[in-house]
Amino acid sequence: GENVEQHPSTLSVQEGDSAVIKCTYSDSASNYFPWYKQELGKRPQLIIDIRSNVGEKKDQRIAVTLNKTAKHFSLHITETQPEDSAVYFCAASYLNFGNEKLTFGTGTRLTIIP
Amino acid sequence: DAGVIQSPRHEVTEMGQEVTLRCKPISGHNSLFWYRQTMMRGLELLIYFNNNVPIDDSGMPEDRFSAKMPNASFSTLKIQPSEPRDSAVYFCASSPQGGGTEAFFGQGTRLTVV
Repeated sequence: GENVEQHPSTLSVQEGDSAVIKCTYSDSASNYFPWYKQELGKRPQLIIDIRSNVGEKKDQRIAVTLNKTAKHFSLHITETQPEDSAVYFCAASYLNFGNEKLTFGTGTRLTIIP
Repeated sequence: DAGVIQSPRHEVTEMGQEVTLRCKPISGHNSLFWYRQTMMRGLELLIYFNNNVPIDDSGMPEDRFSAKMPNASFSTLKIQPSEPRDSAVYFCASSPQGGGTEAFFGQGTRLTVV
C-alpha cells in the first residue's frame, strides 16, 4: 500500500518568512496530492491540491510542487502570518473510482513567531 | 448542507464497555472514511466505504473494531470491548466520488477510555 512520509515534524518561522514542508510517497500510481490544515481542536480542511498532470499550483500565498519522477511534493507558504500556525498534513491518493484511499503523512506543526 | 456530522463530540467510557461512534456524511457523497488521530500515529485510515460497501478495512486495528454503513446517510464505528489505548480523536470524512476529490471532515469524536 501507499506510504507517505512528511518532514519536518515541527517547523518554526518568523512572521513574514517562508515555510516549506516536504512529503514523499511510495506508490507510483498515486495521482492526487492534497494538503490539509488542522487548527488546534478543529477538523482538517483542504487548503490546496495537485494532480499528477500538473507540476506546480499556486493559490495566493500557498503553492504546491510535484515531482513525479522523484515521488515527492512540497507545500510552500510565503509571507507567513500568525494565522498560518497549525498542523499541516500532506496526503496521496490514486484516482480509481470505487477503490482508493487517501493516505496521510504524519503532519507538520508549523508555528509562526510574531 | 451542514457538512459531515459526527456524534457524540466527546465520549468518556470505562475500559471494557462498548462504544459506538456515529457519522452522517454530506448528502450526495458516495465515499465515506473513518480516521483515527493520535499524537503518535497522526491520521490513520481505519476503513473506507464506497456506495455503502466497505472497500478497504485493512486499517482496522483488530477484531474489537467494526464499522457499518447501512445506508447512504449513516455510518457507525463500534469498539467492543474498549481499551485505554483506543483513546483518540475519531474523524469521519466524506467525498463526492472518492479518488481525487476533496474529503470533507466532520468535527470528530474525542474518545477517552479510562
